[in-house]
Amino acid sequence: GENVEQHPSTLSVQEGDSAVIKCTYSDSASNYFPWYKQELGKRPQLIIDIRSNVGEKKDQRIAVTLNKTAKHFSLHITETQPEDSAVYFCAASQSGGSYIPTFGRGTSLIVHP
Amino acid sequence: DVKVTQSSRYLVKRTGEKVFLECVQDMDHENMFWYRQDPGLGLRLIYFSYDVKMKEKGDIPEGYSVSREKKERFSLILESASTNQTSMYLCASTQGGAAGAGELFFGEGSRLTVL
Repeated sequence: GENVEQHPSTLSVQEGDSAVIKCTYSDSASNYFPWYKQELGKRPQLIIDIRSNVGEKKDQRIAVTLNKTAKHFSLHITETQPEDSAVYFCAASQSGGSYIPTFGRGTSLIVHP
Repeated sequence: DVKVTQSSRYLVKRTGEKVFLECVQDMDHENMFWYRQDPGLGLRLIYFSYDVKMKEKGDIPEGYSVSREKKERFSLILESASTNQTSMYLCASTQGGAAGAGELFFGEGSRLTVL
C-alpha cells in the first residue's frame, strides 16, 4: 500500500519568513495530493490540493509543487503570519478505486510574531 | 455549508464498556471514514465505508467495528474499551465515485478517555 513520509515534524519560523513542508510517497499510481490544516482544537480542513497532471499550484500565499518522477510534493507558505500556526498534513490517494487517502504524520508549524 | 457532525465531543468511559461514536454527514457522500489521531502518529485509518452496509478495514481495525445502515450515518463501535484506545477520533466523508478522489470533510472530533 501507499506510504507517505512528511518532514519536518516541527517547524518554527519568524513572522514574514517562508515555510516549506515536504512529503514523499511510495505508490506511483497516486495522483491526488491534498494538504490539510488543523488549527488547535479544530477539525482538519483542506487548504490546497494538486493532481498529477499539474506541477505547481498557487493560492495567494500558499503553493504546492509536485515532482512525480521523484515522488515528492511540497507545501510552500510565504510571508507567514501567526494565524498560519497549525498542524499541516499531506496526503496521497488515487482517483480510481476507493480514493482512500494515506496521510503523513503531520508538521507542527509555529510562527513567532 | 457542508457538514459532518459527530455526536459527542468528549467522552469518559471505563475499561470494558461498550462505546458508540456516531457520525452523520449531510452531503450525500458515498465514502465515509473513521480515523484515530494521536500526537506524532498523524491520522490513522480505522475503517472506511464506500456504500451502505459496506465496510473495509483500514490500517488499525483491531478492537473496533463499524456500522453503516444509512448512507448519511457511520458509527464506530468499541466492543470493550481499553485504556490504549484513549484518543481523538475523527470522522470524515468524501464523494468518491465518478467524481474521483477529492476533498475530505472532517467532523469536529470525539475525544475519548478510557479509565
